[in-house]
Amino acid sequence: QQQVRQSPQSLTVWEGETAILNCSYEDSTFNYFPWYQQFPGEGPALLISIRSVSDKKEDGRFTIFFNKREKKLSLHITDSQPGDSATYFCAASVPPNTGYQNFYFGKGTSLTVIP
Amino acid sequence: DMKVTQMPRYLIKRMGENVLLECGQDMSHETMYWYRQDPGLGLQLIYISYDVDSNSEGDIPKGYRVSRKKREHFSLILDSAKTNQTSVYFCASSYWGQDTQYFGPGTRLLVL
Repeated sequence: QQQVRQSPQSLTVWEGETAILNCSYEDSTFNYFPWYQQFPGEGPALLISIRSVSDKKEDGRFTIFFNKREKKLSLHITDSQPGDSATYFCAASVPPNTGYQNFYFGKGTSLTVIP
Repeated sequence: DMKVTQMPRYLIKRMGENVLLECGQDMSHETMYWYRQDPGLGLQLIYISYDVDSNSEGDIPKGYRVSRKKREHFSLILDSAKTNQTSVYFCASSYWGQDTQYFGPGTRLLVL
């Protein structure tokens, strides 16, 4: 069973538009949700993250909106730039004090920003 | 400078050959991970290591084994590689109890 789901699989926006990437999860014990950005030929890198006690996290042009009741979150990229073209992974983890620290990754959303 | 390194970056092997993928980190992270990434499947956890000689299977451990004899070094071994193990392999590390994983650049493995 896929623990973390992402949609859409791919997304194309024009430069300056807002890109919205969606993520949902199954396990209500997940309490930490990082988003990773991956450029071709590179490893994923942490972009922004949120904990389940918050409903919003902002970092420049990147904002996470979190809905705990619906087990959904979204990443908004405002004023999209061609340099934002990458694959974005949503992930989720359980509290590390459970004795097993694991991250569950979605399948990713490939974002293309057209100049 | 926090860094995860992987060697080799590219590797071509024939089916049945043994494969050794190496990962190093300079941050003294206790926890290290091996993932594989296939198109459309995201990142799948193969093994996780909580420290030297303390390894646990991830979601897809079959066909793989790992070795961690030093905290800064974590190896992934494929005994008798199979064609379906063609993939991109990523190593990552993190402090125990902290959530940020640092990923290496990946090793692209082709098994013919």
